[in-house]
Amino acid sequence: QLQLQESGPGLVKPSETLSLTCTVSGGSVRSSGYYWGWIRQPPGKGLEWTGSIYYSGSTYYNPSLKSRVTISVDTSKNQFSLKLNSVTAADTAVYYCARQFVVAYFDYWGQGTLVTVSS
Amino acid sequence: EIVMTQSPATLSVSPGEGATLSCRASQSVSSNLAWYQQKPGQAPRLLIYGASTRATGIPARFSGSGSGTEFTLTISSLQSEDFAVYYCQQYNNWPRTFGQGTKLEIK
Repeated sequence: QLQLQESGPGLVKPSETLSLTCTVSGGSVRSSGYYWGWIRQPPGKGLEWTGSIYYSGSTYYNPSLKSRVTISVDTSKNQFSLKLNSVTAADTAVYYCARQFVVAYFDYWGQGTLVTVSS
Repeated sequence: EIVMTQSPATLSVSPGEGATLSCRASQSVSSNLAWYQQKPGQAPRLLIYGASTRATGIPARFSGSGSGTEFTLTISSLQSEDFAVYYCQQYNNWPRTFGQGTKLEIK
């Protein structure tokens, strides 16, 4: 059974960089046809796709965040990561990692991790 | 960016009854639409993709329909575990976008 687990600091200071890692188990990030994405959800609000990556390194980013976001993949560790720089309170959210079928819909999700931006 | 609008924001229904949730796209997304269910404190769960195909393990009481700009998620004979928030998501255009959600609550 495929499982995804987010990890990283739960508190980030304004203007600093948010860094999260998603570890995939029960499957491989090198699976053909599957991208790996990050989706965030501010407290009490809806879902926002931030970006996705293929094991080859091909990426898609949400234009609303494109200048601040970087997603990378480490196939040797079966992980992919999110970096969001120059964060503000508006970046406070639960961040989910998920498997994305052919850059389309998300069929497996991690449990999510709350990241709070505060001094 | 394609804006997904869900209605109603909240739907109150009694267990055993049926529910119909709507999702409208600001421009055509063909059949490239998914539905998710999210319970408090949990990650979303994929219910429907391709507008009408149930994901693995999803009960037959969940059905999706529509194409273009108008979509519907129908839940027949609501069970207690179905009360949750439901989101639609389009994957026809970049960026991928979600609706704001419909909360299905017990009447």
